[in-house]
Amino acid sequence: EAQVTQNPRYLITVTGKKLTVTCSQNMNHEYMSWYRQDPGLGLRQIYYSMNVEVTDKGDVPEGYKVSRKEKRNFPLILESPSPNQTSLYFCASSFDPGEKLFFGSGTQLSVL
Amino acid sequence: QKEVEQDPGPLSVPEGAIVSLNCTYSNSAFQYFMWYRQYSRKGPELLMYTYSSGNKEDGRFTAQVDKSSKYISLFIRDSQPSDSATYLCARRLLQGGSEKLVFGKGTKLTVNP
Repeated sequence: EAQVTQNPRYLITVTGKKLTVTCSQNMNHEYMSWYRQDPGLGLRQIYYSMNVEVTDKGDVPEGYKVSRKEKRNFPLILESPSPNQTSLYFCASSFDPGEKLFFGSGTQLSVL
Repeated sequence: QKEVEQDPGPLSVPEGAIVSLNCTYSNSAFQYFMWYRQYSRKGPELLMYTYSSGNKEDGRFTAQVDKSSKYISLFIRDSQPSDSATYLCARRLLQGGSEKLVFGKGTKLTVNP
């Protein structure tokens, strides 16, 4: 089954404790992206990747890091999480950045 | 001005009603629009897309683009409780030498049995 898999689904952590949210897709997509979704603000892009070893900032990249060492994986790293990073996070992928995006099921992150 | 503006709702309708969801856009460079549906605690899923002005139908759903007024709409006929979700419009934009999708904030729809 074609899918984008994110883990974990739910995560509660404390300020400053480094964490990684994993994302994997099995559709051989070149383009992958991370979004955060907040009430009243909608989906905002954090980082995206056009291909292996090619990443770039989206609209709200501060406080986040990403890497793309393999085509299928695109982890999101929060080196020192802060409460304002409490949000619902989605990973997405597609063959082309302007085409249909396939989304993961989301990761609800709470930073205390 | 944001590239895509969407009525925030929430919208509550009785089962069987015709629903109209709307977005406006600010740049005429690209004419490629999408509607995503997002159920609670799930990721968005593509519902429909359209490249140009006019209507596109898929079952009970119709996507409409009005280039002159820069308005895009999604109509749902004979709405069902299973249509209760948040609907996000999106448009394709060229940004920084690459293309991306820009999303509206979403309209939460509840269809009451």
